[in-house]
Amino acid sequence: QVQLVQSGAEVKKPGASVKVSCKVSGDTFTGNYMHWVRQAPGQGPEWMGRINPNTGGTNYAQKFEGRVTMTRDTSTSTAYMELSTLRPDDTAVYYCARDADEGGCFDFWGQGTLVTVSS
Amino acid sequence: QSALTQPASVSGSPGQSISISCTGTSRNVGSYNLVSWYQQFPGKAPKLMIYEATKRPSGVSSRFSGSKSGNTASLTISGLQAEDEAEYYCCAYAGSKTFYVFGTGTKVTVL
Repeated sequence: QVQLVQSGAEVKKPGASVKVSCKVSGDTFTGNYMHWVRQAPGQGPEWMGRINPNTGGTNYAQKFEGRVTMTRDTSTSTAYMELSTLRPDDTAVYYCARDADEGGCFDFWGQGTLVTVSS
Repeated sequence: QSALTQPASVSGSPGQSISISCTGTSRNVGSYNLVSWYQQFPGKAPKLMIYEATKRPSGVSSRFSGSKSGNTASLTISGLQAEDEAEYYCCAYAGSKTFYVFGTGTKVTVL
């Protein structure tokens, strides 16, 4: 069974950066795109971007261009999402989610990482 | 791009059928069959319930079904059960610039 295990909760000050990890087990890490989705308190999910674990190629939502960097380490089957210049409205649960074989949806999700931005 | 529009809440009695709409535009829902639906319980990650507008992943109850017409997709839950009480979100592919847009979410209450 595919499992995505994320790093723990973070508390950051405005202007800082945060890096969240997502370790994949149970399947070939390089076989599917990995997406990052965030969900602010009481809000719907928001797609942030995706990385091709095979090539390292990325696509980012326009809203996060210049502030987000997605990387991966194939030796440890781990994807990373770094968000910089944090603001209080970046407070959210951040999820990694695997692209389904069929495409167009996300079939396996990490447990989520709460990032709190507060002075 | 703006979120897809869903009703804030839908309720029904056990055994009834309910439907949740998801309204987008010709740039997302109307252009591609890549609409998916997710069930989410408080404090948990979303779970895929429907993909490609009408298909059900292995392990998802046949009580859940999806449809799409024009710019609107719908999720129907038949034979409503207490365990179906959750938040439901739609998601649509919106092309290679925007990629994905989610819905505003619908709280399903079982009376």
